[in-house]
Amino acid sequence: QVQLVQSGAEVKKPGASVKVSCKASGYTFTSYGISWVRQAPGQGLEWMGWISAYNGNTNYAQKLQGRVTMTTDTSTSTAYMELRSLRSDDTAVYYCARSYGAPDYWGQGTLVTVSS
Amino acid sequence: DIQMTQSPSSLSASVGDRVTITCRASQGISNYLAWYQQKPGKVPKLLIYAASTLQSGVPSRFSGSGSGTDFTLTISSLQPEDVATYYCQKYNSAPFTFGPGTKVDIK
Repeated sequence: QVQLVQSGAEVKKPGASVKVSCKASGYTFTSYGISWVRQAPGQGLEWMGWISAYNGNTNYAQKLQGRVTMTTDTSTSTAYMELRSLRSDDTAVYYCARSYGAPDYWGQGTLVTVSS
Repeated sequence: DIQMTQSPSSLSASVGDRVTITCRASQGISNYLAWYQQKPGKVPKLLIYAASTLQSGVPSRFSGSGSGTDFTLTISSLQPEDVATYYCQKYNSAPFTFGPGTKVDIK
């Protein structure tokens, strides 16, 4: 069965970086992309970007350009999302989701808290 | 960028009622529209893709329609387990923007 398992919760100080991992199983990793979506407390879903696991092509949300990097490691079927220069409004649950069109299978979410 | 809006932002209905949620894109997106259900504290769940195709395992009381700029999600007979926030998302081209969500609860 398709599973996406994300790394654990993180607490970071403003200005720091965070790297969240998303390990996929149960399907051919390189046949899909991975979307990253975040949700601030009490807020809606925000699309952060997408990476092709086939060739590494990326698309990032304009507001995160320059602060976010998405990568994949096909040898371990793992996707990564790194966000730099963290601010308090980056506090959110971060989700990865398998994507071939609409994201269908989602990871369990990773809470990232940015606090001094 | 194409903007996504949803209406209403929240609604309250009785068990068994027919519920309709609207999603509108600021420009045409053909049928590249998905609907998600998110229950409190849970991961979003894909309900419908390609505007009207039901994801496997989703109850048949959920249906979607529309093309271009105007889309609807219908719950034909609201059940207590349908209490959730519903989001639409465009995926024709990046950015794959979500709508702001519609919160559904039981009257």
